[in-house]
Amino acid sequence: DTAVSQTPKYLVTQMGNDKSIKCEQNLGHDTMYWYKQDSKKFLKIMFSYNNKELIINETVPNRFSPKSPDKAHLNLHINSLELGDSAVYFCASSKPGADTQYFGPGTRLTVL
Amino acid sequence: GDSVTQMEGPVTLSEEAFLTINCTYTATGYPSLFWYVQYPGEGLQLLLKATKADDKGSNKGFEATYRKETTSFHLEKGSVQVSDSAVYFCALIANQAGTALIFGKGTTLSVSS
Repeated sequence: DTAVSQTPKYLVTQMGNDKSIKCEQNLGHDTMYWYKQDSKKFLKIMFSYNNKELIINETVPNRFSPKSPDKAHLNLHINSLELGDSAVYFCASSKPGADTQYFGPGTRLTVL
Repeated sequence: GDSVTQMEGPVTLSEEAFLTINCTYTATGYPSLFWYVQYPGEGLQLLLKATKADDKGSNKGFEATYRKETTSFHLEKGSVQVSDSAVYFCALIANQAGTALIFGKGTTLSVSS
């Protein structure tokens, strides 16, 4: 059983398009996260939700909009994609607070 | 703000060599510390963690000790294998609600037979 799953694994699209990445966890965790890994493998937090409520919103362009329909799902929608959005996006989940975060396999987004 | 500094890579070793990857941190309060590993083409997996000073985390022959006096959490393994080739990330999280992992830049380890 996959604990944190993401779809799609690969996403290739043209500049200006709108795309979504989906994340689901079956660990019963209340907190979910989106991280971005750039081409140099640097990882940085984008958003965090606790029980469907947004609690972290880092300096991310407002073209990025997270949505949490329930506490097991956290989706990421990106409008008007730009070349600089090309990266690997990781979803993660944890119990609230400083507990261990469990990561999904990542979605490699390539914007042409 | 809080930050994590890891030694620059890549680190290239022969099988059965001793591994050390240095990690130091800057944080207010008492964060929890983690090492995550990313194998080629995969996501991040927790390797080990420590939640308070002098704790030692260990897993799969790797270990790291939370040193508050030197603000360090160095990763060590006595005898590396080819299968240990991966990118290793040191990370911290503040012990308070509403925070996320802060990662170091990652260290690439390549082990040859």
